[in-house]
Amino acid sequence: DAGVIQSPRHEVTEMGQEVTLRCKPISGHNSLFWYRQTMMRGLELLIYFNNNVPIDDSGMPEDRFSAKMPNASFSTLKIQPSEPRDSAVYFCASSPAPGQGAISQETQYFGPGTRLLVL
Amino acid sequence: GQQVMQIPQYQHVQEGEDFTTYCNSSTTLSNIQWYKQRPGGHPVFLIQLVKSGEVKKQKRLTFQFGEAKKNSSLHITATQTTDVGTYFCAGYDSSNTGKLIFGQGTTLQVKP
Repeated sequence: DAGVIQSPRHEVTEMGQEVTLRCKPISGHNSLFWYRQTMMRGLELLIYFNNNVPIDDSGMPEDRFSAKMPNASFSTLKIQPSEPRDSAVYFCASSPAPGQGAISQETQYFGPGTRLLVL
Repeated sequence: GQQVMQIPQYQHVQEGEDFTTYCNSSTTLSNIQWYKQRPGGHPVFLIQLVKSGEVKKQKRLTFQFGEAKKNSSLHITATQTTDVGTYFCAGYDSSNTGKLIFGQGTTLQVKP
């Protein structure tokens, strides 16, 4: 079975450029999460969706960050304009809704991450 | 807001020694999950504990959930170099919004 797919795996860009990160959740999962991980701040939840609807975006650092989930199989996280302090590993994770069954109904399955470096 | 704290932040052990990481929540959790992240990798689910006082084992790993459902621990017996990585505990927000709160993680280094 395919896991969570993220692209690109690595991104190097210059300050001021737009960055778009992509995620394909596991088929059948209806919750999707975007996390950012840095040495200083650890693993931070940025935003999460349930049934394609944003539920909590309180972790989005500022207006430069936006996320969309146009359908159940695709989500994007966009940074415009990017800044050096945005450099981090960005993870997407998906989770089945209660009742669908899995190892755990509330387990989160993480993608491999996108390593972003903003120069 | 709800917080999940882990200690220690880092632990270096000699191969064969035991290792324990502790997790404490500011509020009661409905359940607690543990994840492992290998260096350069992504968090991978290990186990979930749901019941008060629950203890689960996976080979050399023993997971406990406190009686008050506010703390948890992961104990590794006789560490091996394959145990290297960062161990995260995570608990669901008590307001039942579906938001999983992660601890800061404990990074384990094992010297061969």
